[in-house]
Amino acid sequence: DAGVTQSPTHLIKTRGQQVTLRCSPKSGHDTVSWYQQALGQGPQFIFQYYEEEERQRGNFPDRFSGHQFPNYSSELNVNALLLGDSALYLCASSLAGGSQPQHFGDGTRLSIL
Amino acid sequence: GDSVTQMEGPVTLSEEAFLTINCTYTATGYPSLFWYVQYPGEGLQLLLKATKADDKGSNKGFEATYRKETTSFHLEKGSVQVSDSAVYFCALRYGGTSYGKLTFGQGTILTVHP
Repeated sequence: DAGVTQSPTHLIKTRGQQVTLRCSPKSGHDTVSWYQQALGQGPQFIFQYYEEEERQRGNFPDRFSGHQFPNYSSELNVNALLLGDSALYLCASSLAGGSQPQHFGDGTRLSIL
Repeated sequence: GDSVTQMEGPVTLSEEAFLTINCTYTATGYPSLFWYVQYPGEGLQLLLKATKADDKGSNKGFEATYRKETTSFHLEKGSVQVSDSAVYFCALRYGGTSYGKLTFGQGTILTVHP
């Protein structure tokens, strides 16, 4: 049973560029959340997708956008990249409702030059 | 808003020592509480959870009790191993689809020496 998978593993971009990160949830999960983890910090919630809609959003600018597909996989898009966007981006999946724990992927390490 | 605070600074222990990592939270409602562990180069793994006051979560020798009166969820282990070296995150989350985000503490680095 595959867990949460993310691609790519590492990515290097320059300021002003755009990036797309991808996530496939754990089998049977229907909800996908994205987190940004800066070096030495705890993960910060970006947004959550359920039934192909953004259900909740953290304190991130509109440069951060996402999408969920009918097969529950998801993309995170970041436009006009800034140096401060350098971080580990984590995807987590879960079953909607209750206190279902979120299962995390290994993340995409994004470096902005 | 909701927040989670973990003890500051890395923790360094010798193998078989007793471990405590403090976690306190501020919340407007009654969240579920979690401990996640992150090994180098990996994502977060759920270590244990508790969904209501006085619940005790436990896994792999680790345990934590949901203390509503002190708004705490301290992580303990009676005898740590070198393989326990990792970063530990305390987190809270409300149940239900509309409140699915996890709010994390800043993490505590644990290093265990042989």
